[in-house]
Amino acid sequence: QSVLTQPPSASGTPGQRVTMSCSGSGSNIRSNYVYWFQQLPGMVPKLLIYKNNQRPSGVPDRFSDSKSGTSASLAISGLRSEDEADYYCAAWDDSLSAVVFGGGTKLTVL
Amino acid sequence: EVQLVESGGGLVQPGGSLRLSCVASGFTFNDHYIDWVRQAPGKGLEWVGRSRNKANTYSTDYAASVKGRFTISRDDSEKSLYLQMNSLTTEDSAVYYCARGYCDKSGYVGLDSWGQGTLVTVSS
Repeated sequence: QSVLTQPPSASGTPGQRVTMSCSGSGSNIRSNYVYWFQQLPGMVPKLLIYKNNQRPSGVPDRFSDSKSGTSASLAISGLRSEDEADYYCAAWDDSLSAVVFGGGTKLTVL
Repeated sequence: EVQLVESGGGLVQPGGSLRLSCVASGFTFNDHYIDWVRQAPGKGLEWVGRSRNKANTYSTDYAASVKGRFTISRDDSEKSLYLQMNSLTTEDSAVYYCARGYCDKSGYVGLDSWGQGTLVTVSS
């Protein structure tokens, strides 16, 4: 069981906007930054979002995140077939003194 | 170009030990954190541990699942990070990634560069 909870799957059609949630607690999401990673099939994870909706160079602004209390969400607008991947949220947990990951959401582009 | 290359994976019997290496290039090694993250076949990402940078006295933290069994060390002269894994169980079977925790003037930013991973299989 992951400390952060993500829905196992999500789907959308090209051009659509999809969101996926990440639920945690006061010791992780509420207190610390949330990070989002994208893992394309057969590939290494890639940092997608960091520190309050910041994107590394090369990540399109179609990707954005938000946080409220103990939950965070990743939004992808203008969905494209190449967005089909696993998405993971992560945060530092003050109680565990550890990074905690969500179980991941598999995004299917229909 | 930032590069991280892991090595040392392989097949080991339950109760055995293994030492993984992560060699870095393309950046100032002691300015940044290095994390180990693992992924069992067909499963999600699991954080294993962290070695912070020189500014944070190279302090380490570990996931509860490996604390007391795994030890992270680093050799800045070799730009290398090591993960000593003892008392291995089948639950430790996974691809082990090392990832750079990029730090700028304001502090830790995120795991922005990942190696290709090395596979550890614990089986009798």
